[in-house]
Amino acid sequence: DVKVTQSSRYLVKRTGEKVFLECVQDMDHENMFWYRQDPGLGLRLIYFSYDVKMKEKGDIPEGYSVSREKKERFSLILESASTNQTSMYLCASRLPSDTQYFGPGTRLTVL
Amino acid sequence: QKEVEQNSGPLSVPEGAIASLNCTYSDRGSQSFFWYRQYSGKSPELIMFIYSNGDKEDGRFTAQLNKASQYVSLLIRDSQPSDSATYLCAVVNNAGNMLTFGGGTRLMVKP
Repeated sequence: DVKVTQSSRYLVKRTGEKVFLECVQDMDHENMFWYRQDPGLGLRLIYFSYDVKMKEKGDIPEGYSVSREKKERFSLILESASTNQTSMYLCASRLPSDTQYFGPGTRLTVL
Repeated sequence: QKEVEQNSGPLSVPEGAIASLNCTYSDRGSQSFFWYRQYSGKSPELIMFIYSNGDKEDGRFTAQLNKASQYVSLLIRDSQPSDSATYLCAVVNNAGNMLTFGGGTRLMVKP
């Protein structure tokens, strides 16, 4: 059974804190993605990775970084959280030319 | 022009009716198309994918693809209140390495 997990469903952080969002997939997928979703703005791609230690910027990478040290794990890092980063964060993974599966999402609130 | 366009809705249909959700895309080289359903506060879940022109049926769902018109649709027969959700159309990009999502159509099925 397909499985993408995210470390937290809900997270509350303060402005300026460093925030780590973890995503793990057990399907041996090469491609992994981080999106954020906001009302009226849809899904927006932050970063993606084709393989271990590889990363590519998506549409809105500013204020974020990522890490992929192992194939199954893709981390999103907010170096210094700001209130405009309050959002739903969705991780996804897929094989090339195959279906994309999403994790359950992390709702992050930055106070 | 957005790469993948959907009417944001809401599309309101009575219970038992056919709901028709539409999506247009701009990349003529796109080969793979996906429909996701997203309930409020949840992550997107895959409903169907379609690669070839024509219709593809799965239970109450039918996906229709017309590559010449760059148009993909999702029909939901015998709509149920539990079908009320946002439906996201997604298209694999020309390089085949990621999905581009439409903004989603909100469907409301009224008892």
